[in-house]
Amino acid sequence: DAGVTQSPTHLIKTRGQQVTLRCSPKSGHDTVSWYQQALGQGPQFIFQYYEEEERQRGNFPDRFSGHQFPNYSSELNVNALLLGDSALYLCASRQTGKAQYFGPGTRLTVL
Amino acid sequence: GESVGLHLPTLSVQEGDNSIINCAYSNSASDYFIWYKQESGKGPQFIIDIRSNMDKRQGQRVTVLLNKTVKHLSLQIAATQPGDSAVYFCAENIQGGSEKLVFGKGTKLTVNP
Repeated sequence: DAGVTQSPTHLIKTRGQQVTLRCSPKSGHDTVSWYQQALGQGPQFIFQYYEEEERQRGNFPDRFSGHQFPNYSSELNVNALLLGDSALYLCASRQTGKAQYFGPGTRLTVL
Repeated sequence: GESVGLHLPTLSVQEGDNSIINCAYSNSASDYFIWYKQESGKGPQFIIDIRSNMDKRQGQRVTVLLNKTVKHLSLQIAATQPGDSAVYFCAENIQGGSEKLVFGKGTKLTVNP
């Protein structure tokens, strides 16, 4: 049973560029959340998707957007990248009412 | 406001000893708590969870204690092993309400052989 998978594992971009990160949830999970984790900090909630809709959003600007597909996989898009967007981006999936399970993350570096 | 914090940022123990990692939370409405282990370069790994209608829950070598009176959570690891070395996060959630997990900064556990 595959767990949560994310791609790519590492990514280097320059300021002003756009990036798309991808996530496939654990089998049987229908809810996907995205988190940003800066070095030495705990993960910060970006948003959550359920039934292809954004259900809740954290304190992140509109440059951060997402999408969930009918197969429950999800994408995180970040436009107009800033140096401060450099972080580990984590995807987590769960069944309703159950614990969230995290993927390995995508390490984004903005130069 | 919401905040989840840890009393100790680092903890160093000898192999075979028991470890206790503490966590304080401030949102009295939180009713679900999770402990995660994060090794370097990896995503957080689920360890154990507890709901607010329980005071204690045990897993394999781990026990979580919840004291709602003082809003305190702890993770006990029995017979700590070198493979337990990692950063440990507690996270809180309000089931049926806010969907997000609120994490603290983490405690780095180092197990000395």
